[in-house]
Amino acid sequence: EIVMTQSPATLSVSPGERATLSCRASQSVSSNLAWYQQKPGQAPRLLIYGASTRATGIPARFSGSGSGTEFTLTISSLQSEDFAVYYCQQYNNWPLYSFGQGTKLEIK
Amino acid sequence: EVQLVESGGGLVKPGGSLRLSCAASGFTFSSYSMNWVRQAPGKGLEWVSSISSSSSYIYYADSVKGRFTISRDNAKNSLYLQMNSLRAEDTAVYYCARASSGWKNWFDPWGQGTLVTVSS
Repeated sequence: EIVMTQSPATLSVSPGERATLSCRASQSVSSNLAWYQQKPGQAPRLLIYGASTRATGIPARFSGSGSGTEFTLTISSLQSEDFAVYYCQQYNNWPLYSFGQGTKLEIK
Repeated sequence: EVQLVESGGGLVKPGGSLRLSCAASGFTFSSYSMNWVRQAPGKGLEWVSSISSSSSYIYYADSVKGRFTISRDNAKNSLYLQMNSLRAEDTAVYYCARASSGWKNWFDPWGQGTLVTVSS
């Protein structure tokens, strides 16, 4: 089983500033990593797949990077609607998919 | 518009059974693998089960293997999850999610979820 570890658990950032979220895999997942955003009471929404490819309709302020075991999601200039919980998911070890525990991005 | 709508959740006693459904629209359902993912209250996401487009390949998380059964009806554009021998730790919102094309899949889109509560 591949364990995904996200850090920090909670990140406090002011609107307009940059946010950097991390995700680490317990073994290499190549570039088979996705990021999701979840707002309270809503389903997760796909942001990034292939570690760095934005999903359809996702604003350019969201970017993903990394490969192997270390990944980063960067939100360049936080908007009010970006405050949410973010999850990473590895799909290299298909079909034993696994998710990180999430990072809560809150307003500072 | 691609849409997934779950139903069938509710309150069930430990040891009981429940069948979840997911109605798909806006895409060629029979061409995609589908998944169930759950989220316990206040917790993260846990993959539960996957089924290939023609039902030839089926997979389960160890936590539900032997108790849950995934199935689909391509003629009805529907995905199902039969849950037996339910436990308190199965309490969660259950989401259906479409897999991307190919063998290594991200999930997009997701349904709005249906809440399953296992309690006496």
